Amino acid sequence: NAGVTQTPKFRILKIGQSMTLQCAQDMNHNYMYWYRQDPGMGLKLIYYSVGAGITDKGEVPNGYNVSRSTTEDFPLRLELAAPSQTSVYFCASSSLAGGPGDTQYFGPGTRLTVL
Amino acid sequence: LAKTTQPISMDSYEGQEVNITCSHNNIATNDYITWYQQFPSQGPRFIIQGYKTKVTNEVASLFIPADRKSSTLSLPRVSLSDTAVYYCLVGTSGTYKYIFGTGTRLKVLA
Repeated sequence: NAGVTQTPKFRILKIGQSMTLQCAQDMNHNYMYWYRQDPGMGLKLIYYSVGAGITDKGEVPNGYNVSRSTTEDFPLRLELAAPSQTSVYFCASSSLAGGPGDTQYFGPGTRLTVL
Repeated sequence: LAKTTQPISMDSYEGQEVNITCSHNNIATNDYITWYQQFPSQGPRFIIQGYKTKVTNEVASLFIPADRKSSTLSLPRVSLSDTAVYYCLVGTSGTYKYIFGTGTRLKVLA
């Protein structure tokens, strides 16, 4: 199993540009998450999904959009990039949501810089 | 969601046992305690999870007192490769919004 994969690994955007961060998992997990991590800080939840067709906002959703058309894929869309969105973005998945046995599996991350 | 408090950083030497304590005073009855490890430029990785008393796996031990208001992650005989950030999380079934906090930055010295 490849686990959770993310593309691209690095990206530089100009202010106002748009892009989609790709995330895929091959573990047949229902739950998927997008986090951002600013330098020296913990992870903040952007959006999450409990299954195909179902998404909801996390802690910091402004400036982002998501979709979940399949179990495997959970892309994150930035519509109008701003310098405040410079961060490392992590995608994660789990078979459970919280409680006993819950383990989130994380992808390698996408390092995004907005200039 | 229960808020957690951890030391910001710790230093240790190779071969020593390291104990990282996490405070979670308002933990709920159904909450579990989970620890993750994050190396630089990587996503977090699950280490251990527990509800009460003691849990041990091949990587670490987790000690949880009877009142469950704190927990201690114990790493036996650390090596340089254990240098990482360690996060303590508290959540229950149906928790989607884990709060990772800033974690504890462990530096292992030779």
